[in-house]
Amino acid sequence: GESVGLHLPTLSVQEGDNSIINCAYSNSASDYFIWYKQESGKGPQFIIDIRSNMDKRQGQRVTVLLNKTVKHLSLQIAATQPGDSAVYFCAEMNDYKLSFGAGTTVTVRA
Amino acid sequence: ETGVTQTPRHLVMGMTNKKSLKCEQHLGHNAMYWYKQSAKKPLELMFVYNFKEQTENNSVPSRFSPECPNSSHLFLHLHTLQPEDSALYLCASSLGRVSNQPQHFGDGTRLSIL
Repeated sequence: GESVGLHLPTLSVQEGDNSIINCAYSNSASDYFIWYKQESGKGPQFIIDIRSNMDKRQGQRVTVLLNKTVKHLSLQIAATQPGDSAVYFCAEMNDYKLSFGAGTTVTVRA
Repeated sequence: ETGVTQTPRHLVMGMTNKKSLKCEQHLGHNAMYWYKQSAKKPLELMFVYNFKEQTENNSVPSRFSPECPNSSHLFLHLHTLQPEDSALYLCASSLGRVSNQPQHFGDGTRLSIL
């Protein structure tokens, strides 16, 4: 079946460095993608989204890149801070339904 | 403060109990969702409501019974649950049953079945 997946289940980053979280998707019909952040004890929080007619979108300290040729999505976090420690999920939308990956746990080292 | 509020935050119940989870959204959205989040697994969509009408039941066992009295409120009634039903249950809402709109989540109810 088709699924959304992340390349690595965990990522350890030095505070102040940039983080890159990767995601591979397999449904070429997906037209909308979202990154969520989930902190311990909380629900997924919307970070940034991107439509399939774009290949890059920037937010505050975050950038999402979409490569439709290889069905790859990434989230870049600039100057990673301790508060960025969380589980990050990518999600793809097809026919209004979201499919989620298993998540990458990001740990920021002081 | 989240625009989607779930209560209770934690629930412990026996297999023969009946309980309900509540979700309320203050975002003016028209679609609401129930998801199950188990450890080390992707979020699983359970039910979708759009303008109070159920549009999706993702093969969920009948011991889970959703109710959507209006576009702002969503319930999940629980009865005769199994230990494998222990999980975090998340409610989400979105503008509607449309593409290119994010879903916004509550903080979930942590359910433990004894």
